[in-house]
Amino acid sequence: DVKVTQSSRYLVKRTGEKVFLECVQDMDHENMFWYRQDPGLGLRLIYFSYDVKMKEKGDIPEGYSVSREKKERFSLILESASTNQTSMYLCASRPGLAESYNEQFFGPGTRLTVL
Amino acid sequence: AQSVTQLGSHVSVSEGALVLLRCNYSSSVPPYLFWYVQYPNQGLQLLLKYTTGATLVKGINGFEAEFKKSETSFHLTKPSAHMSDAAEYFCAVVLSGSARQLTFGSGTQLTVLP
Repeated sequence: DVKVTQSSRYLVKRTGEKVFLECVQDMDHENMFWYRQDPGLGLRLIYFSYDVKMKEKGDIPEGYSVSREKKERFSLILESASTNQTSMYLCASRPGLAESYNEQFFGPGTRLTVL
Repeated sequence: AQSVTQLGSHVSVSEGALVLLRCNYSSSVPPYLFWYVQYPNQGLQLLLKYTTGATLVKGINGFEAEFKKSETSFHLTKPSAHMSDAAEYFCAVVLSGSARQLTFGSGTQLTVLP
């Protein structure tokens, strides 16, 4: 079974703090993704990575950065957390490079609250 | 640009009744289409997908969806709802041959009434 794990299920941070969300997948997938999920908006892509040290902006990258130093790990960084970044964050991985029809496998999510 | 519209943010059905969740997409090229389900406090799980070939796609848990190019639709159905089907359902699209991005609809919360 493919497993995507996220470092925390629930996280509470204060405005201005630097926040790290970690994601690890155990199936040697090339592609990894970070989404945020908000009611009525579905999932929106923040960043994705198709290889180690490679990253591309998604639809809503502002206020976020990412790091992928190892193939299995993809980190989302909030440089200075703000209340409008309170959300559910979902990580996903997918095999293959050009095979965009492949299934994405999701982690359980991190519910982040910024006070 | 591609987009996905899910009609109805909340749908309620009685146990044993037909489930119909609607999804329409906008794309200028043939898309790949997906339905994902999210159970409470969990990540998303693939229900089914359409890439090429047969337009009626069967998925897990008795769900199926039909790709109708003329209607740009990919509605999800299940003949008989079960209490365990209560969840949020997301339709998603990827342009065939494009760079790797899923575009999700806003989701439909399905409630199953006893």
